[in-house]
Amino acid sequence: SYELTQPPSVSVSPGQTARITCSGDALPKKYAYWYQQKSGQAPVLVIYEDSKRPSGIPERFSGSSSGTMATLTISGAQVEDEADYYCYSTDSSGTQRVFGGGTKLTVL
Amino acid sequence: EVQLVESGGGLVKPGGSLRLSCAASGFTFSSYSMNWVRQAPGKGLEWVSSISSSSSYIYYADSVKGRFTISRDNAKNSLYLQMNSLRAEDTAVYYCARGVAGSSPSYWFDPWGQGTLVTVSS
Repeated sequence: SYELTQPPSVSVSPGQTARITCSGDALPKKYAYWYQQKSGQAPVLVIYEDSKRPSGIPERFSGSSSGTMATLTISGAQVEDEADYYCYSTDSSGTQRVFGGGTKLTVL
Repeated sequence: EVQLVESGGGLVKPGGSLRLSCAASGFTFSSYSMNWVRQAPGKGLEWVSSISSSSSYIYYADSVKGRFTISRDNAKNSLYLQMNSLRAEDTAVYYCARGVAGSSPSYWFDPWGQGTLVTVSS
């Protein structure tokens, strides 16, 4: 079955740039999406179609994808950005929807 | 405002059944595909099932295929998940999420409900 691989944790100081990666064999042909989940809350979409930002998401959130790796970048991370971040994509057929294992971002 | 409200979770014994519901409002329900995504306690997100707007296309994760059935009632703006032969590993918060189709090949979940907890234990 298809898998997306993320680092379990990333830690930065406030104001630094946080980068979270997601690797998957189908990413050259399929878009990556990113969700933020704060403790006890439902996930929220922060990036769609590799690099597009939904309305209401701060400009410090950006996304990119190259080859088999997608990257979520938080420029000038803030304490309120502490959360679990999940990448999401589909397999090559488009019928199996897959999440990465999640990355816990610590900002302190 | 788009709202998705799940219900029907609870405690069930292994081998038992449960039916989850998701009430949708604030958008034209019949125009969107819908999904169930779950999250075991302290674990990551796992896609469970998707259903197209007219129920013509239905997909399941391998982990639930043959045991879970997704359905919808567009007249009632409601999504359902019938869960049979439940196992301990099905214990999770189950989220209902609207499907969004962008430029092909693009599909994502937005927004999500707040979830309903299913606990499978004897």
